[in-house]
Amino acid sequence: EAGVVQSPRYKIIEKKQPVAFWCNPISGHNTLYWYLQNLGQGPELLIRYENEEAVDDSQLPKDRFSAERLKGVDSTLKIQPAELGDSAVYLCASSWDRDNTIYFGEGSWLTVV
Amino acid sequence: AQSVTQPDIHITVSEGASLELRCNYSYGATPYLFWYVQSPGQGLQLLLKYFSGDTLVQGIKGFEAEFKRSQSSFNLRKPSVHWSDAAEYFCAIGGSQGNLIFGKGTKLSVKP
Repeated sequence: EAGVVQSPRYKIIEKKQPVAFWCNPISGHNTLYWYLQNLGQGPELLIRYENEEAVDDSQLPKDRFSAERLKGVDSTLKIQPAELGDSAVYLCASSWDRDNTIYFGEGSWLTVV
Repeated sequence: AQSVTQPDIHITVSEGASLELRCNYSYGATPYLFWYVQSPGQGLQLLLKYFSGDTLVQGIKGFEAEFKRSQSSFNLRKPSVHWSDAAEYFCAIGGSQGNLIFGKGTKLSVKP
């Protein structure tokens, strides 16, 4: 069974440029999460989707971050414009509502220079 | 407030020695409890989880964890560490909003 797939794995961009990350969850998982992991820290939730609906986006910096999950399957997280402080790992995860277990992808490692 | 504390930022053990990583949590009730491992440049892999029942849970790669309600703890153990266990370990609780709340992690180094 395929796990959570993320791309790109690594991205280096200049500040003020846009960047987008893509995530395909485990098949059948209705809940999708985007987490932010800063260096030396544990992941923190950015946004959680139940199917197509963003049910918790309280920690998403909406001035520069946006996300979408069209058709309730894969999702895209965008940053525009990127700042130096956005250098981090962006982790996508998914879960099934009958199993309280969250499975993570390999992460998208962003460096802003 | 819901929170997870991992008191040890970095632990070094010799290969073959036993390991215990500490985790304490703050939550209104008994939360769902998890341990994840993150190797360098990788995502998070689930080691084990506790929802209810037997307070000693077995996971992958020879790891186990024990839930102690009286101490609000969920410590991770392994009887004999292998060099490939060097990684960062995260304890997490299932929050009331359906997401995970993580500790800051414990980095494990293994001496040959």
